[in-house]
Amino acid sequence: DTAVSQTPKYLVTQMGNDKSIKCEQNLGHDTMYWYKQDSKKFLKIMFSYNNKELIINETVPNRFSPKSPDKAHLNLHINSLELGDSAVYFCASTPGSPVANEKLFFGSGTQLSVL
Amino acid sequence: SQQGEEDPQALSIQEGENATMNCSYKTSINNLQWYRQNSGRGLVHLILIRSNEREKHSGRLRVTLDTSKKSSSLLITASRAADTASYFCATDSLKLSFGAGTTVTVRA
Repeated sequence: DTAVSQTPKYLVTQMGNDKSIKCEQNLGHDTMYWYKQDSKKFLKIMFSYNNKELIINETVPNRFSPKSPDKAHLNLHINSLELGDSAVYFCASTPGSPVANEKLFFGSGTQLSVL
Repeated sequence: SQQGEEDPQALSIQEGENATMNCSYKTSINNLQWYRQNSGRGLVHLILIRSNEREKHSGRLRVTLDTSKKSSSLLITASRAADTASYFCATDSLKLSFGAGTTVTVRA
C-alpha cells in the first residue's frame, strides 16, 4: 500500500531521448510535487500541482513538462535528455495547498542516468 | 526560494552516542521541518516545529528552534545503526526546498 509511488525506479537512457516518469498517490492529497536531487544531495523543487493546476514552476528548462491528468497523478516528461539531467527525481504530495506548509510525503525516487 | 542549510555535512558516531546537527536559514519562518533520507529512498518527515515553539520531542529526537538566531538543531539520542541516514531541514515557503543535508553514520 505504497502512499506515493513512482515508476520506474531506475531509468538509463541515451542523450537526446525522450522519457517519462510517472507518479501516483493514494493519500487523497490535493497537491503534488516534483523534486530533483543532484549528486551533492541538494533537493530542489521543480513543479507543484494543486488539484491538477500548475502552482509552482521553478526555473526549469522547458524540455521538462509535467502533466497532471487528475489530482492523484503527476507525470514528468523530459524531452531531448542531456547529461546534466542525470539525477534522482522525487515525487511528493501534501494534503492541502503549497501555502499550507504541511509535511511532504515522498516517493522512493527515480534514478535517471543519461549516457 | 528559502532553504535550510545543514551543518555539519557529515557526522560519524558510535552506537549509543548522541548526534547533533544544525540548520540555519535566512528569513522569518512559520515553521521548520526535519526529514530523514535513507540511502536510495525518499525523504521521510520526522518532526515539524512552529515558530512559536522552542523545543519539540518525538521519541529519541529533540528539535530546538531559535528564531532570533535563525537556527534549529536536531538531536538524536542513544543512536542506533538504523539511524544511519541523511538528515535535512526545510523551512516553510511556497517552494519548500532543502539543503544538502547532514549525513550521519552510526558505527556498531
